[in-house]
Amino acid sequence: DAKTTQPPSMDCAEGRAANLPCNHSTISGNEYVYWYRQIHSQGPQYIIHGLKNNETNEMASLIITEDRKSSTLILPHATLRDTAVYYCIVRIFGGTSYGKLTFGQGTILTVHP
Amino acid sequence: DGGITQSPKYLFRKEGQNVTLSCEQNLNHDAMYWYRQDPGQGLRLIYYSQIVNDFQKGDIAEGYSVSREKKESFPLTVTSAQKNPTAFYLCASTLTDNTEAFFGQGTRLTVV
Repeated sequence: DAKTTQPPSMDCAEGRAANLPCNHSTISGNEYVYWYRQIHSQGPQYIIHGLKNNETNEMASLIITEDRKSSTLILPHATLRDTAVYYCIVRIFGGTSYGKLTFGQGTILTVHP
Repeated sequence: DGGITQSPKYLFRKEGQNVTLSCEQNLNHDAMYWYRQDPGQGLRLIYYSQIVNDFQKGDIAEGYSVSREKKESFPLTVTSAQKNPTAFYLCASTLTDNTEAFFGQGTRLTVV
């Protein structure tokens, strides 16, 4: 199972782009990258996911490197409500661990005025 | 409305007692998951199930048990063998394709 590594904390000014990195150097071809965030011990909220192409939705953009060993979540215009713990996750779609969804420690993003 | 429901939100038990946490979903999802979260920590996978009557151990299954008799339900039993059961427990469900997982709002278990 691929493991993910994220910085423990990051700061961002309100209105600026927040770029959250994730390392998944052991990712295999049948593993997708997902991003979730969690606010105040609520259930995590889905943000975006991808396999190898860059993805964009109304919340964020996901940039995956060509070798797939790392990715970056971009919140284009961070607001105070984006302060949360952000988790980068890989999910397996093959083998005996099919569907396994494993979280790491996450990055605490603090958006300040 | 479709969703995933965990109950109760807060649960208190005496040490040495088994306790079962409920997780129900009406999203027609095949896969369900249980996680444990301790203060200031990330989510750790306890058990997961991709299909009815089948489930796999996650990373911290010792002291826990599950069943998957119905597609909609995936109850978690915290047994007396779990040495530190006090924690926040989260349940999730998803289709077996690459779409996103949905989470419940969690159950905070306190063992005294």
